[in-house]
Amino acid sequence: EAGVVQSPRYKIIEKKQPVAFWCNPISGHNTLYWYRQNLGQGPELLIRYENEEAVDDSQLPKDRFSAERLKGVDSTLKIQPAELGDSAVYLCASSSYRSSYEQYFGPGTRLTVT
Amino acid sequence: DAKTTQPTSMDCAEGRAANLPCNHSTISGNEYVYWYRQIHSQGPQYIIHGLKNNETNEMASLIITEDRKSSTLILPHATLRDTAVYYCIVRVANGNKLVFGAGTILRVKS
Repeated sequence: EAGVVQSPRYKIIEKKQPVAFWCNPISGHNTLYWYRQNLGQGPELLIRYENEEAVDDSQLPKDRFSAERLKGVDSTLKIQPAELGDSAVYLCASSSYRSSYEQYFGPGTRLTVT
Repeated sequence: DAKTTQPTSMDCAEGRAANLPCNHSTISGNEYVYWYRQIHSQGPQYIIHGLKNNETNEMASLIITEDRKSSTLILPHATLRDTAVYYCIVRVANGNKLVFGAGTILRVKS
């Protein structure tokens, strides 16, 4: 079974530039999550999707962050414009109805904003 | 979700049991204890979870005290590959949100 796929693995951009991250969850997993992890801290949930519907986006900075999950499969997280404080690892995870207790995480995208 | 408290770091000799404690004194009756770990440059990985009974799987054992205010994750024979940050999380059974703290850095040494 293939795991959660994320791309790119690393991204370096200048501040004020846009950036996008892509996630392909495990096949059949209806729930998809985006987390942000700052250096030395645990991951923090940004948004959670149930199929194509965003059911929890309370922690998503909506002035500059946006996300979509078209057709309830792949998802894209976008930042526009990026700020220095956005430097972090962005993790995608997925889970299924049958085993909602277990979230499967991708390797993450390490974003550096200069 | 209840808050958890874990030591910042721990060392363990290779081949010995690693016992990672977690305090969750405000846990509610319907909240489970979950453990995840994160190896360097990887995403977190689910280890085990439990409500009130002790649990064991191929990775680890989870011991929950009778009053459920604390728990211990046991890696019976730690290897160098078990070096990671271990997160103890409390949440309701059907809750999807994982709230991560800073976790415990476990260093397994040869």
